[in-house]
Amino acid sequence: DSGVTQTPKHLITATGQRVTLRCSPRSGDLSVYWYQQSLDQGLQFLIQYYNGEERAKGNILERFSAQQFPDLHSELNLSSLELGDSALYFCASSPSTGYREQYFGPGTRLTVT
Amino acid sequence: AQSVTQLGSHVSVSEGALVLLRCNYSSSVPPYLFWYVQYPNQGLQLLLKYTSAATLVKGINGFEAEFKKSETSFHLTKPSAHMSDAAEYFCAVSSTGGYQKVTFGTGTKLQVIP
Repeated sequence: DSGVTQTPKHLITATGQRVTLRCSPRSGDLSVYWYQQSLDQGLQFLIQYYNGEERAKGNILERFSAQQFPDLHSELNLSSLELGDSALYFCASSPSTGYREQYFGPGTRLTVT
Repeated sequence: AQSVTQLGSHVSVSEGALVLLRCNYSSSVPPYLFWYVQYPNQGLQLLLKYTSAATLVKGINGFEAEFKKSETSFHLTKPSAHMSDAAEYFCAVSSTGGYQKVTFGTGTKLQVIP
């Protein structure tokens, strides 16, 4: 158990819909990262937050957005969903000091039908 | 700028044989380097990390990796493969400065043949 929690574990929704994925980092970690993993694209970095502020953006679509709240939990919002958005979405957190190792949550499996 | 290259998207070894997964990095500043393992339908788990304290790093499950600056490599090895080692392995690099940017490799799937 990494200490990072993600909800829900599974999500099935239809094209065009909007969903919200939630992540709670390890106690004390200020950095939160979101990743998308699919068979054809592999592991893709989406976005990073540090203590409530956006720090880095990766291959995140404009239909996707994220935020980190004062209690440090984070949400990833996916809208106008397409079949190609079906994937595993991981959240990871990282200590604010030290070597930047990341601790991954169990993931949310999103299926768009 | 930083990057990671993992040579070989799939590697097959026999049970009991040496495991060698290759990773080369590029970084403009001294790097931190990591290996992660992902079992099916699970998140990535930290296997080991290089933080400049020692060039040979030992991790969990009998894995180790050696940092070679001259070769810009951080290859992962295990003397004797077990069936339970079958998983996908990711190499990652982080810069020692800045805001914790981490770059992952594309992963290597390890198959262990009985």
